[in-house]
Amino acid sequence: QVQLQESGPRLVKTSETLSLTCTVSGGSISTYFWSWIRQPPGKGLEWIGYVYDTGRTSYSPSLKSRVTISVDTSKNQFSLNLSSVTAADTAVYYCARDLSGPFTGGFDFWGQGTPVTVSS
Amino acid sequence: DIQMTQSPSTLSASVGDRVTISCRASQSLSGGLAWYQQKPGKAPKLLIYKASSLESGVPSRFSGSGSGTEFTLTISSLQPDDFATYYCQQYNSYSRTFGQGTKVEIK
Repeated sequence: QVQLQESGPRLVKTSETLSLTCTVSGGSISTYFWSWIRQPPGKGLEWIGYVYDTGRTSYSPSLKSRVTISVDTSKNQFSLNLSSVTAADTAVYYCARDLSGPFTGGFDFWGQGTPVTVSS
Repeated sequence: DIQMTQSPSTLSASVGDRVTISCRASQSLSGGLAWYQQKPGKAPKLLIYKASSLESGVPSRFSGSGSGTEFTLTISSLQPDDFATYYCQQYNSYSRTFGQGTKVEIK
């Protein structure tokens, strides 16, 4: 059974960079897409971006200028960096396995989510 | 950028009811569509992928249909465990987008 676990600071100061890591266990990070998704308090889900095991990435247009997602296959981890954060970036951040493809689809395994608060 | 619009935003129903949630894409989907169930404080759970394929372990009372820009999630007989928020999500080779969610409440 694949398991994902987010880790990183839960409090980030305004204008600084939010950094989170997702550790994958119970399966290899190779040959899959891996996504970050967030959910502001009381609101809906927002896709942030994905990384493939080769390092190929794609980001949400609304966040593209501030987001970097990377992968470390040797550690079975992938990471999120979101720069110049504001209070609007306060959310629960999820990592998920992304099965999007011609024969499958959707996010089938999720981390439990980590709440991140942006405050001065 | 593909936009996804769900309706209704909130739905009140009783146990045993047939429930239908709609999802409309701003352009015809070249990839696919998935549906999720989310309960408070929990990560979403994948129910349906490729618009109509049931994820392993998901009860058969859940079904999905549609193509192009119009999609539907149906719960054939609502059970107490089904009161939750439901999201549609499109995926293609370069992007993913969620709908705004539909909350299914007890009537």
